[in-house]
Amino acid sequence: SQQGEEDPQALSIQEGENATMNCSYKTSINNLQWYRQNSGRGLVHLILIRSNEREKHSGRLRVTLDTSKKSSSLLITASRAADTASYFCATDAEYNFNKFYFGSGTKLNVKP
Amino acid sequence: EAQVTQNPRYLITVTGKKLTVTCSQNMNHEYMSWYRQDPGLGLRQIYYSMNVEVTDKGDVPEGYKVSRKEKRNFPLILESPSPNQTSLYFCASTIAGGLGTGELFFGEGSRLTVL
Repeated sequence: SQQGEEDPQALSIQEGENATMNCSYKTSINNLQWYRQNSGRGLVHLILIRSNEREKHSGRLRVTLDTSKKSSSLLITASRAADTASYFCATDAEYNFNKFYFGSGTKLNVKP
Repeated sequence: EAQVTQNPRYLITVTGKKLTVTCSQNMNHEYMSWYRQDPGLGLRQIYYSMNVEVTDKGDVPEGYKVSRKEKRNFPLILESPSPNQTSLYFCASTIAGGLGTGELFFGEGSRLTVL
């Protein structure tokens, strides 16, 4: 299965600190997206990075992609209590871009 | 307001009693898909549809059926639910196939318990 692993499974930090979470996947991809989920709610899109890109920024978010290592990282800078949520990476598959795979998620707790 | 609507949001049923979870989107999206979310496993794709009357299996299709008779609707059918289908289900849509064309819009989820 393509399903990825996310690391760490849980992360607890103080407000103002940076949070880094990592996602690894198993087969080649076309695109990778990061999503956020608040406590059992629907997922919300954060950022897209394509396989030919190495880094993307959006506000306080920075995403990197290393296709040689089949991994991506999401950095949230100057975290806020409102960033408390679970974060998931999602990939398609190089051979079938209609099938999507999600990582197991990182649960981030930002303490005020 | 752009949205994906799932119903019911919560359901407790018994083994073998057929049920349907409805999903509707108002964004004229071609692509729709269903996922189940279980602790420690993330989201796993059950079925997806690229357009009306075009559906295909995801990673965990066993025990589920889908249909896409209209562009806006993509119901998930459990013909004979079993306890291992107890899960949180999400419907999602995007403008077209592939993660490179745009974001997935998710419904709020349907929590299903099969006794």
